[in-house]
Amino acid sequence: AQSVAQPEDQVNVAEGNPLTVKCTYSVSGNPYLFWYVQYPNRGLQFLLKYITGDNLVKGSYGFEAEFNKSQTSFHLKKPSALVSDSALYFCAVSHLEVTFGTGTKLQVIP
Amino acid sequence: DTGVSQDPRHKITKRGQNVTFRCDPISEHNRLYWYRQTLGQGPEFLTYFQNEAQLEKSRLLSDRFSAERPKGSFSTLEIQRTEQGDSAMYLCASSLRGSLAGELFFGEGSRLTVL
Repeated sequence: AQSVAQPEDQVNVAEGNPLTVKCTYSVSGNPYLFWYVQYPNRGLQFLLKYITGDNLVKGSYGFEAEFNKSQTSFHLKKPSALVSDSALYFCAVSHLEVTFGTGTKLQVIP
Repeated sequence: DTGVSQDPRHKITKRGQNVTFRCDPISEHNRLYWYRQTLGQGPEFLTYFQNEAQLEKSRLLSDRFSAERPKGSFSTLEIQRTEQGDSAMYLCASSLRGSLAGELFFGEGSRLTVL
């Protein structure tokens, strides 16, 4: 069985500071990993994916994620947070089907 | 084409009534998925179609839930004899055949409230 864990229900960061949203995964075989963002009363939007290759993956809106096989992690990062980044972020893993984490609420404080 | 469209966006119904949600995927996408999302949780997979074929339906929550995609275009999700526990956001997503299972394009969801 595959699973994803997002250990933080909420992350608070000051505008302009770097942000990290954590994700760890468990899957047999090579993982395909994803991050999605959800704004209030909206559907999920794809941010970025890791398939293979470079461990640092760049995505939409200046976000990037670092794949670490030994730690089975796929943390989402951004060098400088914006207030507009405040939203709910979901990590997901897919092998034969897609499994989402429980989400982390990111609050960027002006 | 502007994306995945879901209708209605919000449905309020009384317990015991039947409800139906419609999803129109991105036109060139032949895979279509239904998910359920409750407060504080991530999306939970329900079922998916490739064209008109329903390839996975074992995750539908009970036999009160059914989904169709008769012509391989739009899909409907029906919940019969609704219960208060069915209150949730129902999300539809689509993707291209051959794309990774995780590269999904989601609609804005249909929120169900069962009184």
